[in-house]
Amino acid sequence: EDKVVQSPLSLVVHEGDTVTLNCSYEVTNFRSLLWYKQEKKAPTFLFMLTSSGIEKKSGRLSSILDKKELFSILNITATQTGDSAVYLCKGSNFGNEKLTFGTGTRLTIIP
Amino acid sequence: NAGVTQTPKFRVLKTGQSMTLLCAQDMNHEYMYWYRQDPGMGLRLIHYSVGEGTTAKGEVPDGYNVSRLKKQNFLLGLESAAPSQTSVYFCASSSQRQGKNIQYFGAGTRLSVL
Repeated sequence: EDKVVQSPLSLVVHEGDTVTLNCSYEVTNFRSLLWYKQEKKAPTFLFMLTSSGIEKKSGRLSSILDKKELFSILNITATQTGDSAVYLCKGSNFGNEKLTFGTGTRLTIIP
Repeated sequence: NAGVTQTPKFRVLKTGQSMTLLCAQDMNHEYMYWYRQDPGMGLRLIHYSVGEGTTAKGEVPDGYNVSRLKKQNFLLGLESAAPSQTSVYFCASSSQRQGKNIQYFGAGTRLSVL
């Protein structure tokens, strides 16, 4: 059965720290893995990663996927209070839209 | 730039009542989804649609029905609401063009069933 597992479930750090969030996946006919950020309302898209192994970056956020070990990490450097959110990852495959999200990592940044 | 719009934003129902949640997207996306989000459970897929006139079951479809009569709209119905359906409901849409499969979400509907 396909599954996506995120760790840790929650994380509390001080402003300025660097954090690494983890997402492991077991997805049949894997296509991509997507990261989302959810603050108070709707999840918003961050990155899409494929088996190419190419790192994606956007400002202080970066993400990479290891296709051999079947996991992805999301790094946030020099964290700010605005980074406080739930971070979700989702596996995507070809032809099966039933895949759902991991339970998320709740990140809290203390000023 | 409306994107994905959900109505209503909040609703309180009594057990046994029925209601319909409306999702509308203006991005001409082929795929639409309904999720529910509960504490500690993440986002769970209820039903989805890969095109006008087609729907399919997701992970937790029981107690819900859906319809996609028009490409831009995806309706989620609760025929006889139960307290277990108290949740936050999110609609999303995506386009499969260019292999992106990036979902865009509505702001959510908070439903309480008493």
